[in-house]
Amino acid sequence: GENVEQHPSTLSVQEGDSAVIKCTYSDSASNYFPWYKQELGKGPQLIIDIRSNVGEKKDQRIAVTLNKTAKHFSLHITETQPEDSAVYFCAASITGRRALTFGSGTRLQVQP
Amino acid sequence: DVKVTQSSRYLVKRTGEKVFLECVQDMDHENMFWYRQDPGLGLRLIYFSYDVKMKEKGDIPEGYSVSREKKERFSLILESASTNQTSMYLCASQRSRGNYEQYFGPGTRLTVT
Repeated sequence: GENVEQHPSTLSVQEGDSAVIKCTYSDSASNYFPWYKQELGKGPQLIIDIRSNVGEKKDQRIAVTLNKTAKHFSLHITETQPEDSAVYFCAASITGRRALTFGSGTRLQVQP
Repeated sequence: DVKVTQSSRYLVKRTGEKVFLECVQDMDHENMFWYRQDPGLGLRLIYFSYDVKMKEKGDIPEGYSVSREKKERFSLILESASTNQTSMYLCASQRSRGNYEQYFGPGTRLTVT
């Protein structure tokens, strides 16, 4: 089955700096790569996703890049703010299959 | 607004008890999922369902079963709770067509003593 590895496990940045979280996946058939943000006491919430026919996608301060050859994808957050502090999960899914395989999570702390 | 609710935020049960975790969604979604979340392991899929009365095993189904008698409700059952099932349990729902976004409930933190 699919295996998703995520790094780093914790990340601390100063407000205004950029943050990058990286994930690798094992199954070359995977074609959908979402990122979820989990705030304290809440369930994860989708913040951005990318499909395998796209190399990069942006949404305001958030961007995701995908390298299918190397089987890795990354989340980039620019101009970080204290409200970006949360746990972030990457995930992967094979075409036609709705279940996701998640990475182990990254705890991002933005210091004001 | 999309909503997934779980019956309890916190639950404490004894070893050997039968435990029911309930999840209800109000979005008329076809797909529903149960995950468990453990530190350093992320979210791991226990079971999922594509339709009423249909279920498929996820990555860690041992010790669990599920029930989906109505479209909006998906139950996770621990037949005989064990201490290694102490965890955070998250339910999610998803449309069967269109975007793949999964909508999560707030989670149930289960402690088995």
